[in-house]
Amino acid sequence: NAGVTQTPKFQVLKTGQSMTLQCAQDMNHNSMYWYRQDPGMGLRLIYYSASEGTTDKGEVPNGYNVSRLNKREFSLRLESAAPSQTSVYFCASSWTSGGANEQFFGPGTRLTVL
Amino acid sequence: AQSVTQPDIHITVSEGASLELRCNYSYGATPYLFWYVQSPGQGLQLLLKYFSGDTLVQGIKGFEAEFKRSQSSFNLRKPSVHWSDAAEYFCAVEVNRDDKIIFGKGTRLHILP
Repeated sequence: NAGVTQTPKFQVLKTGQSMTLQCAQDMNHNSMYWYRQDPGMGLRLIYYSASEGTTDKGEVPNGYNVSRLNKREFSLRLESAAPSQTSVYFCASSWTSGGANEQFFGPGTRLTVL
Repeated sequence: AQSVTQPDIHITVSEGASLELRCNYSYGATPYLFWYVQSPGQGLQLLLKYFSGDTLVQGIKGFEAEFKRSQSSFNLRKPSVHWSDAAEYFCAVEVNRDDKIIFGKGTRLHILP
C-alpha cells in the first residue's frame, strides 16, 4: 500500500497562475482533507470531504477550490495564486467521520508563489 | 472558540533524559485528543490518541500521554529520549465528532548528544 500520495512534491508559480494539487489514497478511506502548514501556525484545515460527493470548508478556504473526484482522489485547485498561498500543503485521509479516527498524511507539496 | 495551546515552541533535552511536552485545550466538554509527530520533510504520523476510558494513554515509539480534565491538559511524555525523537510534535483536538481536528502550533524537539 502506498498510503496517501501527493503530486507534485515541489512547485513554483507566478502570481496569478493556476494549478491543481493532486492527492490519492489507497486505504479505502471515506474522509479526505487538505491542510496548509505555515511556520509557527501549525496545520490549518482548508477543505475536507466526509465522503465521496461531499465537500465542506475548513478554517482557511478562501482562494481554493476542491474536487472529490472519486473515493480515492481529492484535488485542491488554486485558481489565481497569490504570494500568501506560499506554504506546504498536506493531504490526509481517515476511515470515516464520527470521531477519534486517525488521519493518515501524505508527504506534502511545497508551493512557492512569486 | 475551541483552541489548542502548546506553550513551548522549542524544547531541547539531552539524549537519555526524560521529556514532557505540554498541551492545553479550550473546550467545554471532553474532546478527542491526539498527538502527532512530524519528522523533517515528512508528513504527520499519529503517536497516540485519547477518546475515553483510562486517562493514561500509551502510544508508539515509547510515548505516553495523560489526560487531566481538571487542568484541560494532555501532556506527552517519554522516559528516555533518543536522537531519532528530534522532530516537531503537534497536539490536536477534535471537538465535534466529525473528524475535523484543530492542531496546536507545534513544539520542535531538539536532542543534545
